[in-house]
Amino acid sequence: AQTIHQWPVAEIKAVGSPLSLGCTIKGKSSPNLYWYWQATGGTLQQLFYSITVGQVESVVQLNLSASRPKDDQFILSTEKLLLSHSGFYLCAWKDWGATYEQYFGPGTRLTVL
Amino acid sequence: QQKVQQSPESLSVPEGGMASLNCTSSDRNFQYFWWYRQHSGEGPKALMSIFSDGDKKEGRFTAHLNKASLHVSLHIRDSQPSDSALYFCAASEQYNNNRIFFGDGTQLVVKP
Repeated sequence: AQTIHQWPVAEIKAVGSPLSLGCTIKGKSSPNLYWYWQATGGTLQQLFYSITVGQVESVVQLNLSASRPKDDQFILSTEKLLLSHSGFYLCAWKDWGATYEQYFGPGTRLTVL
Repeated sequence: QQKVQQSPESLSVPEGGMASLNCTSSDRNFQYFWWYRQHSGEGPKALMSIFSDGDKKEGRFTAHLNKASLHVSLHIRDSQPSDSALYFCAASEQYNNNRIFFGDGTQLVVKP
C-alpha cells in the first residue's frame, strides 16, 4: 500500500526566515507529485507539480520554490517567508488507474508571524 | 476568475437527510470532474470521479454530470454526522492532465 508522509506537522516561523517542507511517498514508483496551498477553510491552490526526478513545473508564483531530489521525495522551500505564506500545505500524488484521483498527505500547518 | 464554482457555500442537513452540492465550470475545456472531502485538519480524500454524462453511484453518494451545461452535482443520501466536512469539486481538461482546478468548497454540517 502507498503511504504519503509530510514533515513537519506544523511550523511557526518569523517573517523573513527560510522554510523547507518535505513530502515522501512510499510504495509508489515514479509518481506524479503535487504541492498545494490552502488558506484556512479555503480552496486548494496548486503550486507545483513534478513528473520525474529533477523536473518541477511551477503553476503560480508565490515566492516559493520546489525540488524533487529523489523519486519519492518532493521539497517546498523559500529563503524569505512572507505573512501571506501562512496556511496549510498539502502534498499529493496521482493515481493512473481508472479514477485518476489524487491522494493527499496529512498536510503541514504553517504560521508566519 | 475562478474556473470552478461551487454552491452553496455552506449547507446544513439533518441526520438521515439528503445533501445536494453543486459545481459549475466556466471553462468548456473542463470535461473531467472529481469530488473530494476534507475533514478539519486533514488532507482531502477523493470521493468520486465522473467523466461521462449521467449518474454515477457509489454507496450513499451519487454524482451527476451534464457536460453540455458544465454542471456536476453530488448527492449524499442518508447523511451522517461523519459526513460533516468541506467538499471540493475539482476539474481538469484531461483525466491525465497535471493541471487540476479546485472550487472554493461547500461546508456541509449534518446535525444529529
